[in-house]
Order: sequence, then structure tokens, then C-alpha cells
Amino acid sequence: TQLLEQSPQFLSIQEGENLTVYCNSSSVFSSLQWYRQEPGEGPVLLVTVVTGGEVKKLKRLTFQFGDARKDSSLHITAAQPGDTGLYLCAGAWSGNTGKLIFGQGTTLQVKP
Amino acid sequence: DVKVTQSSRYLVKRTGEKVFLECVQDMDHENMFWYRQDPGLGLRLIYFSYDVKMKEKGDIPEGYSVSREKKERFSLILESASTNQTSMYLCASRPAGQQETQYFGPGTRLLVL
Repeated sequence: TQLLEQSPQFLSIQEGENLTVYCNSSSVFSSLQWYRQEPGEGPVLLVTVVTGGEVKKLKRLTFQFGDARKDSSLHITAAQPGDTGLYLCAGAWSGNTGKLIFGQGTTLQVKP
Repeated sequence: DVKVTQSSRYLVKRTGEKVFLECVQDMDHENMFWYRQDPGLGLRLIYFSYDVKMKEKGDIPEGYSVSREKKERFSLILESASTNQTSMYLCASRPAGQQETQYFGPGTRLLVL
């Protein structure tokens, strides 16, 4: 059973378009993280959201944590080819020695 | 900068072979993790260790074992490799007590023939 459902799994868009990736669960998390992974490399942390309703911005990327801390979204404005990669959400529960549960990932391709 | 290194980027092994995957981190992190990554399944936790000589099973430990004799090194062992263990293996580490940021190595792509 996948505890974190990430959608869509694949996204191919043109440069300049906007997009949103969703991460949903029936579980409540103490925090949720977003990672980006490029081919041949390990995932790299983009952001951690902790508080229900929290919104964080990282240049053209906007991350939101749901009020009930069960879901999150990543919105990219005016996507660029450099945004191409695999985006992963990961949820954590408090007091579990740092274990994370990962979504299936969203493969994003931004065409010039 | 945190650096997590994995001994091999690519490995090809035969069914039944014993396989060792090594991971080393240089930031004195207490916690270390081994994941496998498969298309459409995301990252799945195999084993983790929260201190030297301590280990706990993750979600998919069957067919794997681990060793943590030194703080900086966490080894994943496939006792008898099988074709369904063909995958990308990722190691990660994090300091204890910090928010759950994990720092990943570059991965080892293992092919079992």
C-alpha cells in the first residue's frame, strides 16, 4: 500500500508553462519534504514544510502543506528546461528515527 | 558540504553471487539508510541504522542484510543476488535530532543477470 500518492507520474510541457504536482495521503505527517533528482544522481532536498497551511517559495517554485498535514503541492511558474527532473515528496512522522515515506515521484520534462 | 559516497556507480553481478554495496559519509551523522528505487515505486526503505552496530528493518528487508561497524560506513549485503534485486540503490545519512533532512549519495545501479 502506497501511503503517499503522487500525481501526475509524468509531465511533459513547453518552456514557460505552469504546472502543479500533488502529493496526497490519508496519514498525518509531522513534516513533508520535496526532493529533486537528476539522472545519475541522488535526490537533493528542495524544501521541508512543517506547519499545516504553510507556504514556502523557492524562486519559481511554491510549496504548500495542507491544513490537515496530509497533503502537499508543488507549483512551478514559467517552467524552464533546467527544471527537468524527477520530483519526489516524502513524509515523516515524529519520533520515528528520521524515517521517510516517499511518493512514487513525478518525472517532469520541460521542452525548449 | 555533506558528502555521501557510494563505492560503485554501476555493478553487474550473476544470480547467486554475494554483493556488497558500500556507503560512506563524512559528516559524523548518526543515522544512515539504504533504499532501492524502482520506476513507479519511488524510494523504498530496505534497512536503516541510527547508531554504530544498530540496525532496523525497513519496509522491504527480505534478501538483504546490513553492517555498521563504524559510524561513517554503512554496508548493504545481498547474500545471494537474484534478478528481482536489479535496481538503483541509494544510501542516505542524516544527523540525529535534526529535522528529517536526508543527504543522499549518487546511487549504485545494480544489474543481476
